[in-house]
Amino acid sequence: GQQVMQIPQYQHVQEGEDFTTYCNSSTTLSNIQWYKQRPGGHPVFLIQLVKSGEVKKQKRLTFQFGEAKKNSSLHITATQTTDVGTYFCAGLTNAGKSTFGDGTTLTVKP
Amino acid sequence: NAGVTQTPKFRILKIGQSMTLQCAQDMNHNYMYWYRQDPGMGLKLIYYSVGAGITDKGEVPNGYNVSRSTTEDFPLRLELAAPSQTSVYFCASSYGAGNTIYFGEGSWLTVV
Repeated sequence: GQQVMQIPQYQHVQEGEDFTTYCNSSTTLSNIQWYKQRPGGHPVFLIQLVKSGEVKKQKRLTFQFGEAKKNSSLHITATQTTDVGTYFCAGLTNAGKSTFGDGTTLTVKP
Repeated sequence: NAGVTQTPKFRILKIGQSMTLQCAQDMNHNYMYWYRQDPGMGLKLIYYSVGAGITDKGEVPNGYNVSRSTTEDFPLRLELAAPSQTSVYFCASSYGAGNTIYFGEGSWLTVV
């Protein structure tokens, strides 16, 4: 079945450093979504990418969708303590099923 | 709009007991999902539904049952609770495949 792999599993950074998480699919995706889960909270939708090579920005967050629509990345510039949490990607296949990656947990040392 | 509401928030079960986690959404979404999340781990899909009267298994359906008699409600039934079912359970909904998935606040279940 479809697999969505996400790396790294954990990332510890000093406040102000950059952070990137990567999402890779074994199959071509119709779209990819990113979610953030704060510690003790529930996943909350951040953004959706649909087009090949698409890049979207939300303040310090930059999201990219690969040209082959099989991979995606989330990059945070100059992390802040408010960025802590687990970031999940979710890929939608042409068969109409979404699969979540296992998430990358970010901790930020002040 | 309340969004996705799930109850109870916390529950302790004894081995062998049964219970139902309730989930309701008021967004007129067609798709509803149940995920479980073990400590420090990702989201595992238990069951999902694409509309009233239709349910399907996800990755980890064993030990659970669901029903979808209405668009709004999607209860998850645990039969014969086992310690391996200790987890956080999230109900979620979306308008359709590939649309934004809205999650409930979670139900923390401990089986002892």
